[in-house]
Amino acid sequence: SQTIHQWPATLVQPVGSPLSLECTVEGTSNPNLYWYRQAAGRGLQLLFYSVGIGQISSEVPQNLSASRPQDRQFILSSKKLLLSDSGFYLCAWSVSGIRYTQYFGPGTRLTVL
Amino acid sequence: AQKVTQAQTEISVVEKEDVTLDCVYETRDTTYYLFWYKQPPSGELVFLIRRNSFDEQNEISGRYSWNFQKSTSSFNFTITASQVVDSAVYFCALSEAGQGAQKLVFGQGTRLTINP
Repeated sequence: SQTIHQWPATLVQPVGSPLSLECTVEGTSNPNLYWYRQAAGRGLQLLFYSVGIGQISSEVPQNLSASRPQDRQFILSSKKLLLSDSGFYLCAWSVSGIRYTQYFGPGTRLTVL
Repeated sequence: AQKVTQAQTEISVVEKEDVTLDCVYETRDTTYYLFWYKQPPSGELVFLIRRNSFDEQNEISGRYSWNFQKSTSSFNFTITASQVVDSAVYFCALSEAGQGAQKLVFGQGTRLTINP
């Protein structure tokens, strides 16, 4: 069966510091991978998605970037965090294609102070 | 642009009551998918159901049921005989086709509290 991992689970970072969140999927090959952010009390917003190694599509221009160095690894990064980057970050995976269900990881709660 | 509206921000009921969560969507696509996810206090989104635009049959899974009506662009979710464990935030979502990937557009969520 497939499993999706995210780490760290929680993170507190000062403004201006770098960020690296990692997501890995087990039990599947060539998945579609997604990063979402959930701001406090709000819905989820798609940030990035990837259909293959090195292929990243950005949905919202912002202070963040994503990379996919390996087939089942998806990384969310920032060079300098802003207060507005605080939120709950969720990674998701799906079978390759547009018709399949996305399954979400446990999430990373980021607080920028 | 696609949009999902969950007008009910919060709902609070007493255990064993039935409760319906509303979801209204907007899309110009003829082929699309609708989803419901549950977010318990732990934060992880749990998949509940997926419906494609060609299948308007209602679905029942235990105490959960879903009513999909294309004529009103609605995909409502009913919990029968609610239990305290049903307390969570529930999200309705609509898929949009990207470059070989599916992009989910979420509603703002409905916080459901079941009181003992």
